[in-house]
Amino acid sequence: DQQVKQNSPSLSVQEGRISILNCDYTNSMFDYFLWYKKYPAEGPTFLISISSIKDKNEDGRFTVFLNKSAKHLSLHIVPSQPGDSAVYFCAASAYGQNFVFGPGTRLSVLP
Amino acid sequence: GAGVSQSPSNKVTEKGKDVELRCDPISGHTALYWYRQRLGQGLEFLIYFQGNSAPDKSGLPSDRFSAERTGESVSTLTIQRTQQEDSAVYLCASSLDYQTSSYEQYFGPGTRLTVT
Repeated sequence: DQQVKQNSPSLSVQEGRISILNCDYTNSMFDYFLWYKKYPAEGPTFLISISSIKDKNEDGRFTVFLNKSAKHLSLHIVPSQPGDSAVYFCAASAYGQNFVFGPGTRLSVLP
Repeated sequence: GAGVSQSPSNKVTEKGKDVELRCDPISGHTALYWYRQRLGQGLEFLIYFQGNSAPDKSGLPSDRFSAERTGESVSTLTIQRTQQEDSAVYLCASSLDYQTSSYEQYFGPGTRLTVT
């Protein structure tokens, strides 16, 4: 059973518009969530994180929203840029151990 | 500064052979993780080392898989009697300490394993 789900395998967005990537989880013990970006032939790179005590965290063009009651988080990228085209992984952890990753969403930002 | 390094970057092996993959974490990082990513799939947790504690091996898919780490340094992932379904990119990540406020993991570039 998938504890972390990213139901959209791919997403296309026009440059300058907002990209919204979604992630759902099932384990209520998860208390820390992270987003990673992965380019082909490279390891994932950390993007932004959020603790379960918060419902929003913002870093430049990237904002992560957490809805604990719905067990849902989303990553907003605005404005989207062609360099943002990559696979985005959502990850969740309980007490900082044993991170569980979602299957990823491939974002394509069209110029 | 130096990031996480992995070797080899690519490995092609025949079915039934043993392979050993290496990970050099960032100096000072006490936590080390191994993941694998099969083609078209997400990251699958394999094993987690934290300092001198017993490793969390809950993600290892079979007893053909094992990993070692000496102290807070290099780790090796060994796959015995490789099978075609072992073909994947094997990723290593390290982080400072799970008890710190930041659980950010730094990933290596991965080792692409192909079993023929």
